Amino acid sequence: GAGVSQTPSNKVTEKGKYVELRCDPISGHTALYWYRQSLGQGPEFLIYFQGTGAADDSGLPNDRFFAVRPEGSVSTLKIQRTERGDSAVYLCASSRDQKETQYFGPGTRLLVL
Amino acid sequence: AQSVTQLDSQVPVFEEAPVELRCNYSSSVSVYLFWYVQYPNQGLQLLLKYLSGSTLVKGINGFEAEFNKSQTSFHLRKPSVHISDTAEYFCAVSLRRAGSYQLTFGKGTKLSVIP
Repeated sequence: GAGVSQTPSNKVTEKGKYVELRCDPISGHTALYWYRQSLGQGPEFLIYFQGTGAADDSGLPNDRFFAVRPEGSVSTLKIQRTERGDSAVYLCASSRDQKETQYFGPGTRLLVL
Repeated sequence: AQSVTQLDSQVPVFEEAPVELRCNYSSSVSVYLFWYVQYPNQGLQLLLKYLSGSTLVKGINGFEAEFNKSQTSFHLRKPSVHISDTAEYFCAVSLRRAGSYQLTFGKGTKLSVIP
């Protein structure tokens, strides 16, 4: 079946702009995670959804970052007033339930100029 | 808080030679352990995981890992590597605690297989 998909694959924006990154999880997966991978680092946890609600947003770096999952499927990560330090690959993962294996999407590479 | 250390950032190895990629973790509570692989320009793919039971875990593509609780290690091994194993490998943990299943990753080890 189809895996986790993320759009766009690449996004270039200017400092101060607003961006939205989209994640389509595997159908039927109730748990959804966002991670950020900076150059030369492993992925770092941002936020976790169980269904429609954000069960844990402790990894969001500041209030410029926000994510939603209104219908319990597709999720959007929103970044306001982007900064050059936000440049990274943003990864989405989903799992059938919170304890199950996480399957990762290909990521969105964000470059803030 | 939990953390994962991958001591080797890069590991070159000749084709058909054995390889071991090291992973150590620290955590105040019990953890689940994972190895993921990232091929160039692709997403993360699960190689293997340890949840419970036998401490020797076998994964895809001939890889295996052994959980050593006393040494808090989960080293990845393969007896004979192929060119196609060239990739970046990430060790990760998640807590054995409800509501805390997010993964904490190491910085990764780049495996380069030399013909």
